[in-house]
Amino acid sequence: GENVEQHPSTLSVQEGDSAVIKCTYSDSASNYFPWYKQELGKGPQLIIDIRSNVGEKKDQRIAVTLNKTAKHFSLHITETQPEDSAVYFCAASIGDTGRRALTFGSGTRLQVQP
Amino acid sequence: EAGVAQSPRYKIIEKRQSVAFWCNPISGHATLYWYQQILGQGPKLLIQFQNNGVVDDSQLPKDRFSAERLKGVDSTLKIQPAKLEDSAVYLCASRSPRKSYEQYFGPGTRLTVT
Repeated sequence: GENVEQHPSTLSVQEGDSAVIKCTYSDSASNYFPWYKQELGKGPQLIIDIRSNVGEKKDQRIAVTLNKTAKHFSLHITETQPEDSAVYFCAASIGDTGRRALTFGSGTRLQVQP
Repeated sequence: EAGVAQSPRYKIIEKRQSVAFWCNPISGHATLYWYQQILGQGPKLLIQFQNNGVVDDSQLPKDRFSAERLKGVDSTLKIQPAKLEDSAVYLCASRSPRKSYEQYFGPGTRLTVT
């Protein structure tokens, strides 16, 4: 089955700096790669996603890049703010059939220092 | 639209006792998932339903865990008897047939087994 590795496990940045979180996946059939933000005591919240027919996607301060050949994808957060502090999870699945649920990475705890 | 609802939010039981969790997905979402999230890890799929049929329960410990989705809407997940290692957050997620890739999570139920 699919295996998703995520790095780093913790990341501390100063407010206004950029943060980058990287993930690799094992199943070349995976074609859907979402990123979730999880705050303490809450469920994961979808913040951005990318499909395998796209190399990059941006939404305001958040961007995701995908390298299918290398089987890795990254989350980029620019101009970080204290409210960006949370645990971020990457995930992968075969989205079109709907029969494969998400396989998650182990998470990155992002701390934005004011 | 209203999000995924789960109850209870917290539950503390002793080992060997039984417990049940309830999930109400977003209206119209045919696909429902139960994930287990152990502290410090990413969510892991337990079971996936399409309407009221099971699509994938390969990672459900069937000797103690059971789940049902009567009438293709609400779902319950039961553990009987509970073990210490079942302490985790149990997350319910649902997926829209129109946005076929995106999964939306509920707030979760935090289970502590003592």
